[in-house]
This record gives sequence, C-alpha cells and structure tokens, in this order.
Amino acid sequence: KAGVTQTPRYLIKTRGQQVTLSCSPISGHRSVSWYQQTPGQGLQFLFEYFSETQRNKGNFPGRFSGRQFSNSRSEMNVSTLELGDSALYLCASSPTGGEYGYTFGSGTRLTVV
Amino acid sequence: EDQVTQSPEALRLQEGESSSLNCSYTVSGLRGLFWYRQDPGKGPEFLFTLYSAGEEKEKERLKATLTKKESFLHITAPKPEDSATYLCAVLHSGGGADGLTFGKGTHLIIQP
Repeated sequence: KAGVTQTPRYLIKTRGQQVTLSCSPISGHRSVSWYQQTPGQGLQFLFEYFSETQRNKGNFPGRFSGRQFSNSRSEMNVSTLELGDSALYLCASSPTGGEYGYTFGSGTRLTVV
Repeated sequence: EDQVTQSPEALRLQEGESSSLNCSYTVSGLRGLFWYRQDPGKGPEFLFTLYSAGEEKEKERLKATLTKKESFLHITAPKPEDSATYLCAVLHSGGGADGLTFGKGTHLIIQP
C-alpha cells in the first residue's frame, strides 16, 4: 500500500519568489492536512482540505494557500517567499480526518535564500 | 491558550534502561491524543491514538497511557533503533484551527 507522497523532496528558492508543493495522499483518503516544521516552532498546522474544500486553517498569513483536486491530491502554494519560510513542509492524509488519525509523508525541505 | 508540553526535551539512556516520556496538555474538549516517532529527515510515523482517560495501548517495547491531563509513553528495555524524536499531538474541539496541536518533542538517544 503506497504511503503519502510529497514532491519535490528538496527545493531552494529566492526571497520574493513563489513555490508550489505537491502531495498525493493514500488511496481512499479524502482529508489532506499541511504542516510546517521548524527547529524553533516545531510542527504547526497550516490547513486541512476535505473533498476539495478547505475545512480548517491555522494561524498563518494569506501568503500560504492550498487546494485539493477531485482525486484528493493537494497542492500548497507560498507566495512572496521570506527567509523565515525555510522549513520542512509535511503533508498528512486521513480517511476523513479528525480522530481517525493521520499518516504523514516524508516532507518537502524548502530553503529560502 | 491551548498547549501541549513534552518533557524531557532530550533523554539519553543505556540499552535496556527503561524510562517514560511525558506529554501534558491543556486543551478543552480532547478528541484524541496521538504519539508519533520521527527520524531525522523523515516525516512523523504514527504510533498510537488514545481517546479517553484510563486508556492504554502497547506496541513492542512501547506503551502509551492517558489521564485527564497528561499522557506517558513508556519504553521498556529500549534498543538503539528506538532512538528518535517522539512527538505528542492532540486533536481538540475547543476553538482554534482543529488541526493537530503538537508538542516540541522528546529527543531520545539509546546508547549500546
């Protein structure tokens, strides 16, 4: 059974640019969540999508956005990159979200220079 | 403010030396408490979900317990391959974003 797949694994971008990260959930999972992990703040919730609709959103600026497609694949976009956006971005999928638990991907390591 | 606090931040044990990791939480309406293991450069790997006080779950050398204010991850006779960062997260219904709220983790090192 394939796990959660995130692409690319590594990314280097320049301040001011934008970036799009991709996540393919486990087959049959309809909920996809995104998290940012940094050494200082740990894992922080960005947003969750379920059946192509954003269901929940964390406390991040509007530069962070996402979407989910009909096949449950999800993308996350960060516009006008800042140095502080350098982090490991993790995607997690779940059958319906919530109490059923979440399976994480290996993440995309974004470095902003 | 909803909080999840893990202690200790780091723990170094000898192989076979049992210990416990703590996760205390102050959230309203707990819907689930999750334990994950994370190896360097990888995403968190699911270990356990606990839903109500008094619940316990076991897997190999790991046992997780839950009270109304905290959870413990007991590691019995650990091996070097148990070395990792252990993360605790809660899902709650009391306001906020409704995603998982994570603690900062316990970095565990098991020395041969």
